[in-house]
Amino acid sequence: EDKVVQSPLSLVVHEGDTVTLNCSYEVTNFRSLLWYKQEKKAPTFLFMLTSSGIEKKSGRLSSILDKKELFSILNITATQTGDSAIYLCAYGSGNTGKLIFGQGTTLQVKP
Amino acid sequence: DAGVIQSPRHEVTEMGQEVTLRCKPISGHNSLFWYRQTMMRGLELLIYFNNNVPIDDSGMPEDRFSAKMPNASFSTLKIQPSEPRDSAVYFCASNPTGISGNTIYFGEGSWLTVV
Repeated sequence: EDKVVQSPLSLVVHEGDTVTLNCSYEVTNFRSLLWYKQEKKAPTFLFMLTSSGIEKKSGRLSSILDKKELFSILNITATQTGDSAIYLCAYGSGNTGKLIFGQGTTLQVKP
Repeated sequence: DAGVIQSPRHEVTEMGQEVTLRCKPISGHNSLFWYRQTMMRGLELLIYFNNNVPIDDSGMPEDRFSAKMPNASFSTLKIQPSEPRDSAVYFCASNPTGISGNTIYFGEGSWLTVV
């Protein structure tokens, strides 16, 4: 059965710390892996990864995919309280448009 | 663009009542998804439509749940009869092409509480 597992499930850090969130997956027909950030409302898109080894970067956030080892990481440097959220990893497989999400990592950044 | 629009935003209902959640996808998007989010199970895909046709409803938990998409700009998710364990946030999302792995855009969710 296709699945995606995120770790840790929750994390508490202080402002300025660097965090690494993990996402491992087992899918039969992998197409892409996506990261979303969810604050109080709807998940918002961060990154989509399709190729191994190519880092995607947006400000203090970056992400990379390893298709051989079947995992992705999301890094956040110099964390701020506004980074507090649930970070969701999702994969797209096969020829459909649907995404399957992991459980999410709840990040809390303390001042 | 107004984004994906869902209603109601919040609903509290008694067990046994019928609940209807509504969604208007982003104009021009031809794929629509209904997700349910709970603390225990995270975000689960319930059903997915492409060009108004249900493609995959394997995530619909049981016969009490049904979804329709009568046209490209409207979808409903119905729960009849509702039960307390249905309490969750129900998200509708849309995608422009239906191509695997493309970014999907979420509505703000319908927060359902069944008492």
